Amino acid sequence: EAQVTQNPRYLITVTGKKLTVTCSQNMNHEYMSWYRQDPGLGLRQIYYSMNVEVTDKGDVPEGYKVSRKEKRNFPLILESPSPNQTSLYFCASRASGNPYEQYFGPGTRLTVT
Amino acid sequence: AQSVTQLDSHVSVSEGTPVLLRCNYSSSYSPSLFWYVQHPNKGLQLLLKYTSAATLVKGINGFEAEFKKSETSFHLTKPSAHMSDAAEYFCVVSVTGRRALTFGSGTRLQVQP
Repeated sequence: EAQVTQNPRYLITVTGKKLTVTCSQNMNHEYMSWYRQDPGLGLRQIYYSMNVEVTDKGDVPEGYKVSRKEKRNFPLILESPSPNQTSLYFCASRASGNPYEQYFGPGTRLTVT
Repeated sequence: AQSVTQLDSHVSVSEGTPVLLRCNYSSSYSPSLFWYVQHPNKGLQLLLKYTSAATLVKGINGFEAEFKKSETSFHLTKPSAHMSDAAEYFCVVSVTGRRALTFGSGTRLQVQP
């Protein structure tokens, strides 16, 4: 089954404790991205990657890092989480030849206290 | 620049009555437009997409949307609401050459029995 998976699905952590949210897709997609969803703001892109070792900032990259060492994986790293990063995070992927359809993961709900 | 405005944050309808979720967009270039649905505690699912072909687009679960360039609108409709339609709906715009999707703030659809 074609899918995007994220782990963990739920995470409660404390300010300053480094964490990583993993994202993996099994569709051989070149393009992957991370979004955060906040009430009343829709989804906003954090980072994206056009292919292995190619990443770039989205609209709200501050406080986040990413890496793309393998095509299927695109982890999101919070080096020093803060309460304003409490949010619902979605990973998405699509084929580079199909800009019209992104596949979204199930979401990771992060709470930073 | 591109943007999306969903005109209603909440819409409540009775089961069996029509659904109208309103979306206006702004784009400097010819846009692609999408509607995504998010059921509680679930990821995002693509309902339908407009990519410069027919202006009336049919999607899954009986939903459709009409692209009206003169009104810069892409409203989502369904003739008869079902309880299972209760969810949050996002209008999304994408412009060729720009990598991110731009999401509206979402409309929560409530369906009353």
